[in-house]
Amino acid sequence: GENVEQHPSTLSVQEGDSAVIKCTYSDSASNYFPWYKQELGKRPQLIIDIRSNVGEKKDQRIAVTLNKTAKHFSLHITETQPEDSAVYFCAASTDTGFQKLVFGTGTRLLVSP
Amino acid sequence: DTAVSQTPKYLVTQMGNDKSIKCEQNLGHDTMYWYKQDSKKFLKIMFSYNNKELIINETVPNRFSPKSPDKAHLNLHINSLELGDSAVYFCASRLGTSGGYTFGSGTRLTVV
Repeated sequence: GENVEQHPSTLSVQEGDSAVIKCTYSDSASNYFPWYKQELGKRPQLIIDIRSNVGEKKDQRIAVTLNKTAKHFSLHITETQPEDSAVYFCAASTDTGFQKLVFGTGTRLLVSP
Repeated sequence: DTAVSQTPKYLVTQMGNDKSIKCEQNLGHDTMYWYKQDSKKFLKIMFSYNNKELIINETVPNRFSPKSPDKAHLNLHINSLELGDSAVYFCASRLGTSGGYTFGSGTRLTVV
């Protein structure tokens, strides 16, 4: 089955810096890669996703890149703000059949003012 | 207005008790899930239902029994609760097989 590894487990940056979180997946059949943000005590919320027919996707300060050959995908946050502080999860699944989303282990991002 | 709602939000109970968590979604999604988030924040799938039919059943003790009376509801019943069952349980839903999940607000279960 699918296995998703996520690094780093914690990431501390200064406000205004960029943050990068990296994930690798094992199942070459996976073709859907969402990213979730979970603030303390709250539910995970989808912030951006990418499918395997696309190499990069941007949404304001957030971008996700995908390297299918290497089975890597990354989340890039530019101009970080204190409100970006949260736990971020990557995930992977196929879009065929009723496949489950397999989550990475999470990255705790702390943005200091 | 809440898209995926879970009740209760907090649940404190003694070992050996039986408890249920309820989930309802008003998004018109046809697939629903239960995930467990442990103390290290790891999110692990437990069950998935599509149109009231069980489609994913991970290696979960049979003390856990999901029930889906209709495609808008997915409940989780837990028998003979153990200390290790303490976690946050999230319900989620999805439309078909594509797109991201919408999570409920979670139920923090504490077994004492």
